[in-house]
Amino acid sequence: DTEVTQTPKHLVMGMTNKKSLKCEQHMGHRAMYWYKQKAKKPPELMFVYSYEKLSINESVPSRFSPECPNSSLLNLHLHALQPEDSALYLCASSITDRALAGVGYEQFFGPGTRLTVL
Amino acid sequence: GENVEQHPSTLSVQEGDSAVIKCTYSDSASNYFPWYKQELGKGPQLIIDIRSNVGEKKDQRIAVTLNKTAKHFSLHITETQPEDSAVYFCAAPEGYGGATNKLIFGTGTLLAVQP
Repeated sequence: DTEVTQTPKHLVMGMTNKKSLKCEQHMGHRAMYWYKQKAKKPPELMFVYSYEKLSINESVPSRFSPECPNSSLLNLHLHALQPEDSALYLCASSITDRALAGVGYEQFFGPGTRLTVL
Repeated sequence: GENVEQHPSTLSVQEGDSAVIKCTYSDSASNYFPWYKQELGKGPQLIIDIRSNVGEKKDQRIAVTLNKTAKHFSLHITETQPEDSAVYFCAAPEGYGGATNKLIFGTGTLLAVQP
């Protein structure tokens, strides 16, 4: 299984709602990532988890709260979002979050969740 | 930190022609360069990558070349087909060797293959 899955595919929420995005992989990867992608732009890194611990937070506002319950699952909890937070949210995974002996860099992306904040 | 520039931003070719997309990077210590293909409504798909110990890598109709001296790498697609139409992103890692695996992406190239 070489797939990263994300649910839901689409999400519409109001600014006062609380919702969660879910990501799952069964490749035995120990690093998982959240990216945000606006239209016609490259993905922007938000968070990195390594061995279920948060290793990078790219100064993301606290209305985005990541969680890694186990090595296969990654969640992104959303609360009090703004319309400018509307974007495609991508999850990715890799063997590790560090390049060791030339391996570990390859990141595999899921299909994304299209989020619209009204 | 690493900076990646990508050109062109759009590229239109006739089916069967070749397409070339170029990227430059700033950190001479960077040692891994992936290319991603993103189709409309989908996540980026890793299509090929190259490490700094080789100058070229091929996979069927796709090839990547790396010039470490000039700090640029290119994606070559031969015999293009309509299904090659997508946005292509190059990337390079920020941080050297054992540093954290943060990818810096280029701005993307929209490739349109005309039948």
